[in-house]
Formats: sequence, C-alpha cells, structure tokens
Amino acid sequence: RKEVEQDPGPFNVPEGATVAFNCTYSNSASQSFFWYRQDCRKEPKLLMSVYSSGNEDGRFTAQLNRASQYISLLIRDSKLSDSATYLCVVEDTGFQKLVFGTGTRLLVSP
Amino acid sequence: GAVVSQHPSRVICKSGTSVKIECRSLDFQATTMFWYRQFPKQSLMLMATSNEGSKATYEQGVEKDKFLINHASLTLSTLTVTSAHPEDSSFYICSAREHPGATEAFFGQGTRLTVV
Repeated sequence: RKEVEQDPGPFNVPEGATVAFNCTYSNSASQSFFWYRQDCRKEPKLLMSVYSSGNEDGRFTAQLNRASQYISLLIRDSKLSDSATYLCVVEDTGFQKLVFGTGTRLLVSP
Repeated sequence: GAVVSQHPSRVICKSGTSVKIECRSLDFQATTMFWYRQFPKQSLMLMATSNEGSKATYEQGVEKDKFLINHASLTLSTLTVTSAHPEDSSFYICSAREHPGATEAFFGQGTRLTVV
C-alpha cells in the first residue's frame, strides 16, 4: 500500500465549478499535512497546510480527518489558472521528510 | 519567500558519464537539504537527506555510490549522478527549509536529466 494515495484524475471541470480532491495516508503517526501545487515540468509550491480544524484560504478549503487518515481539498469557483497537479503531502514525524502522493491533475476549461 | 536555486535545469549526457546538479539556498542557510526524483506520472520520491558537514542519509534502495551527495557549505548541496544510464533519466529536484521547524519547504526549479 502506498503511504499517500490520491486519485490521479484528470478532473475536467468548467470554469466556475467546485471540485474536491481526496487523499488518504497510511502512517497514523504523521503530524503535518500539506497540499502542494505542481505545474507541468515545474517545481512544487505550497498551496496550504492542513489542520484538523480545517482551514480556508480564499477559494481553497482543506480538511483533515485524523481518525480516517483522510485529507481533502475543495476548490470553489474554479479558474483556468487552477489547472495543475495537486499533490497531497504528509510529513514523516520528526524527520522533516515529505512523502508525496502521485498528485491529482485538474483541468479547468472555458 | 525563501529561494532555492537549482542548476542546471536541463542536461543531456551520454551513457557512462557523470552529471553534477547544484542546489543553493539563496537567502537563508540550510543545514539540511533533500533530494527527490520524479519519474513521469509518478510522485516525487525522496532519494536522500543532505546534511551540512556530514554524510548524507540515503533512502532504502538508493545507491549511495551512484548518487554522490556533497553538502560542503550551509548554502550549497550537490548531487552527482555517476556512470549515468538511460534508466537514470528523470526529474531531480532539491528542497530546503529556512529552519528545521519551518512549515514550508522550498523547492529548486528541478533538473531534467536525459541520458542517451
């Protein structure tokens, strides 16, 4: 079983749509969780951290369910510029090592 | 935000030759840097943790004699792919944090290696 699992997609949505991505992780001792965005052939960039209480940044909302070892990302009012691969990332406790999911590809069309 | 610079961005080399990739933290000191590899349509996989002034820590299955890591200063780590083969063709990328407790990891621009 992979440490971090994501649906690879692609998710094809029209502009303005709401789209949700899910992710599960296997290490129950993991402490930190993130969503990164990666554009084609570019480096990943932090989109947001994920907390048990949930957090929102503009059109983006992230949720963490520790009991189910499940992380989600919700994007509202999708823009063309949101087209990218969204990486679910879990930090290996105490070692600063990041474990990446394979990413979920989002394509937003006009 | 902090900047991590990686060079070169693309390299094509002949099978059997060695390639050196540099990773620099431009506006902060990084005692630890991380090297990842990403094959097409796959996730980033950690190869090794580079520690300033000491030996790198390699992940299981990564050959330390093939992927030489040197972290001689607080702002520079290098990865040398020795005796490269076509199966080493991949996207190599480094990352670092401004300090050990920092939330965000900053990534270099990545190096696309093609071995012919």
